[in-house]
Order: sequence, then structure tokens, then C-alpha cells
Amino acid sequence: DAGITQSPRHKVTETGTPVTLRCHQTENHRYMYWYRQDPGHGLRLIHYSYGVKDTDKGEVSDGYSVSRSKTEDFLLTLESATSSQTSVYFCAISDEDGNIQYFGAGTRLSVL
Amino acid sequence: AQSVTQPDIHITVSEGASLELRCNYSYGATPYLFWYVQSPGQGLQLLLKYFSGDTLVQGIKGFEAEFKRSQSSFNLRKPSVHWSDAAEYFCAVGADTDKLIFGTGTRLQVFP
Repeated sequence: DAGITQSPRHKVTETGTPVTLRCHQTENHRYMYWYRQDPGHGLRLIHYSYGVKDTDKGEVSDGYSVSRSKTEDFLLTLESATSSQTSVYFCAISDEDGNIQYFGAGTRLSVL
Repeated sequence: AQSVTQPDIHITVSEGASLELRCNYSYGATPYLFWYVQSPGQGLQLLLKYFSGDTLVQGIKGFEAEFKRSQSSFNLRKPSVHWSDAAEYFCAVGADTDKLIFGTGTRLQVFP
């Protein structure tokens, strides 16, 4: 998985609780991304980062925030989880050219 | 707006048969095109990519894809499918140098 670690791998939480997912990379790549994967939708971009403290919104950013205080870590936070955020979340990284993305193993999140 | 269409949600083939997975895209400029494969419970693995040059590109695991600008297509092919190829396949287009848009995926089932 190209030096990408996602944690936790599985999480079950209740509606209204905050949740933070972590993506850690050892490749020193500049770009990092968070996607969600849902049946019939493929992968949709939530947020991405160009570098430390430099982030931007993707296609489905409502209800999510991110932070990147170090090159190697990109955190995705659900401030108040809802059942519609039950999904599999993937982190990806890409190098300076930003052309090829490499994916982590995913985090399966269930919001009850 | 950029988009990717994978018209086949599910394909079933016999082991040893040939395979073609379809991908059509909508993009205003010359796209970067990718095929990824996802095995159950795993992240996405890059199979091949097209940036420029030869329109027939070779990838890992014996896969190839052909870029046809006139048809806005980037179909994935394999001459002889193995049982281990059963997975979900995603086509993606590079909207910029640092963002990808994914199709909804094609699930491949292989019968012995």
C-alpha cells in the first residue's frame, strides 16, 4: 500500500458523535486525499491537501473537515457523524507531479 | 463538467476467455487516464495509466488499455482471464494534475 497507513481500519460509532480518521504516509509525498466509496458511486473526493496547512474541498465535503499539520499525516474529522456517512474511507497520496495516486487499505465506518 | 462512465456494472466471464471493460470519459482537454483494480476488502491498485504518446498502454497482470480520442474511450482488455482477476475495476480521469474523477466501477466475476 505504498507506505500508507489508515487508522482505525474499522469503526462503529453512534449518530452525533465526533470521529477522526487518520492517514499516515512514509513516502514524503506532497499531495494527500480523502475519498469515500459507496455502492453505485465509485470513489468521491471529500478533501485534499497540497501540503502542510494547505487543504481544499472536494466533491462531497459537507459534514467533513480535515487538517494537515505535518507532511506525513492527514486527518479527516466528522464533527457530528450521521448515518449517511456510513461508508468506506480511503486515503491516497501522490508525488510532486500529482499524476499518480496510491491508495491506503481503507477504513470501514458504520454510524448507527 | 468532467465525468467518467463505466456502462457495465457487472460482467461475468469464464476463466481463459478474453475480457474487455468499457470506459468513456468527458473531458475538455487531453486527459490523464487510469485503470485501478480493487480486490475485496482491499484498497485500489494501479493497473495502468495513459498520459500521452502511444495510445496502447501495457499494465501489470497482463492488462492493456487503448486510448481512442475519437470515441472518448479508454477500454481495458486482457486476452485470457484468470480466476484471480475477479475484482472490481475502476476507470479514472485526471481532471487536473492533482485530482481524479472515478467511474462507478465494474465488478468482474470469473467462472472456472
